[in-house]
Amino acid sequence: DAMVIQNPRYQVTQFGKPVTLSCSQTLNHNVMYWYQQKSSQAPKLLFHYYDKDFNNEADTPDNFQSRRPNTSFCFLDIRSPGLGDAAMYLCATSRGAGGGRTDTQYFGPGTRLTVL
Amino acid sequence: GDSVTQMEGPVTLSEEAFLTINCTYTATGYPSLFWYVQYPGEGLQLLLKATKADDKGSNKGFEATYRKETTSFHLEKGSVQVSDSAVYFCALARDSWGKLQFGAGTQVVVTP
Repeated sequence: DAMVIQNPRYQVTQFGKPVTLSCSQTLNHNVMYWYQQKSSQAPKLLFHYYDKDFNNEADTPDNFQSRRPNTSFCFLDIRSPGLGDAAMYLCATSRGAGGGRTDTQYFGPGTRLTVL
Repeated sequence: GDSVTQMEGPVTLSEEAFLTINCTYTATGYPSLFWYVQYPGEGLQLLLKATKADDKGSNKGFEATYRKETTSFHLEKGSVQVSDSAVYFCALARDSWGKLQFGAGTQVVVTP
């Protein structure tokens, strides 16, 4: 009964080689989020989608892009990974049906990205 | 801007000890407050939440009360188990998107 699924769980890429991380959800939630979590730090929001509306955080580097082709799937593309992009990437969803600040976010297990 | 401050870890306890993790926040308006838990190698799970002043969230023996007068949301558990070893994040959400502002996290280690 997995609700937020992330694939792969572990991803190794080379410096500068584009990589795509995927997230899918079975909750039919309107909102999907991508967070970056570096070792021993709090998650940092990169961007989120409300349905098809994309919302980028002001300090998210241009190197990070996202796509949401349908309600269930969302992708994180890192165009030219640097060593500093090695982190856990967390996908989350929330209902978003007017709940706003009271909504619970449901997180996937994360994808740990290693950059060689 | 909004911020969340929580006590630094690691917090090391013996099994059955009492756990408190302090969390205070700075925000305008009326944020919702959350505690999320992250077990090693996993994503975050909601532990409990409170959406207005004086609300008490509770789950799995953990409790936290939204105190607007002290801008706090301290997490407590009366008797911890080894399985409670994890990193605990306090967070707030204020905007209509439900964007979460996390504290730095507190690692809790419970020994047998």
